[in-house]
Amino acid sequence: DAGITQSPRHKVTETGTPVTLRCHQTENHRYMYWYRQDPGHGLRLIHYSYGVKDTDKGEVSDGYSVSRSKTEDFLLTLESATSSQTSVYFCATGLGSPLHFGNGTRLTVT
Amino acid sequence: AQSVTQLGSHVSVSEGALVLLRCNYSSSVPPYLFWYVQYPNQGLQLLLKYTTGATLVKGINGFEAEFKKSETSFHLTKPSAHMSDAAEYFCAVSENAGGTSYGKLTFGQGTILTVHP
Repeated sequence: DAGITQSPRHKVTETGTPVTLRCHQTENHRYMYWYRQDPGHGLRLIHYSYGVKDTDKGEVSDGYSVSRSKTEDFLLTLESATSSQTSVYFCATGLGSPLHFGNGTRLTVT
Repeated sequence: AQSVTQLGSHVSVSEGALVLLRCNYSSSVPPYLFWYVQYPNQGLQLLLKYTTGATLVKGINGFEAEFKKSETSFHLTKPSAHMSDAAEYFCAVSENAGGTSYGKLTFGQGTILTVHP
């Protein structure tokens, strides 16, 4: 267990509502990542962080924002959820490349 | 730009048989290469990675992979499959950008490995 907790594990929300997913780590890793996993696409990077308050966009960042106010927490926010954001979201941490993944959050947008 | 192609979305082997999962990559700079395994309803677990040095990389659970630059390949193998190896496997590449790439991995689409008794 690499000490990564994602919450919630499952969420159903309606189109247009804001949603925040939380990732908490106990490993004190500098790097944290948010990925989404969709059938036929593997995992795609949404945003990543290389330190407190230091974040950058990944390849599918549109419609998502992130914040990292503490080393251990990395939040992913969908400002106005859309059905295309129905997916499984994974948080990962590492020392440069993602070494440890959380168990995922399954998000359904209806 | 970098990309990863995993040949075969499903691979089926008998218990005790050789496991071979194929991965080819495209990268404009020297790559870092990774294999991850995902069990149902879980996150990904790093099996092994290649950064520099020895091209044959050994990982956990008896898996290994060989970086072949001339073939732009990083195939994953295991001499003898176990039932517990049944899972989905992902190959990934990142750019070797002066020692760090901030984890900008590009993943393949995954290969589901089934092991028959």
